[in-house]
Amino acid sequence: DAGVTQSPTHLIKTRGQQVTLRCSPKSGHDTVSWYQQALGQGPQFIFQYYEEEERQRGNFPDRFSGHQFPNYSSELNVNALLLGDSALYLCASSLWTDSYEQYFGPGTRLTVT
Amino acid sequence: QKEVEQDPGPLSVPEGAIVSLNCTYSNSAFQYFMWYRQYSRKGPELLMYTYSSGNKEDGRFTAQVDKSSKYISLFIRDSQPSDSATYLCAMMKTSYDKVIFGPGTSLSVIP
Repeated sequence: DAGVTQSPTHLIKTRGQQVTLRCSPKSGHDTVSWYQQALGQGPQFIFQYYEEEERQRGNFPDRFSGHQFPNYSSELNVNALLLGDSALYLCASSLWTDSYEQYFGPGTRLTVT
Repeated sequence: QKEVEQDPGPLSVPEGAIVSLNCTYSNSAFQYFMWYRQYSRKGPELLMYTYSSGNKEDGRFTAQVDKSSKYISLFIRDSQPSDSATYLCAMMKTSYDKVIFGPGTSLSVIP
């Protein structure tokens, strides 16, 4: 049984560009949450998707958007990249009714130059 | 004031020691409390979760929640070098809510 998978593993982009990160949840899970983790910090909640709708959103600008597909996989899109967007982006999956039990993927390391 | 605070460490202990990791929080609405372990260059791994106040034990790990003091703890008994990692506390108001993480405490267990 595959756990949460994310792609790509690493990514280097230039300021102003756009990026799309992908996540496949653990089998049986229906909810995907995205987090940004800066070096030496805890994960910061970006948003959560359930039934293909954004259900919760953290304090992130509209440059951050997402999508959930019928197979529960999800994408995170970031437009107009800033240097400050450089971080580890983590995807976590869970059941909607038990979102306290989240399983994380290995993350995508994004570097903006 | 941040919603969830944690001493960043680093905390260094000898193998076999009892480790105490702590978090304080400001929002009394939090009901679910979790502890994650994160190894370098990996995603966080859920260790334990607790609902409301009380204790919960799982092997060498014990989680305690004191809602009256807005204080939670994770105890690790007989610590091993493989326990060396960053420990993140996390909490949420309801089982449908967003998860708020602390900044993490870096732990090193020295053989």
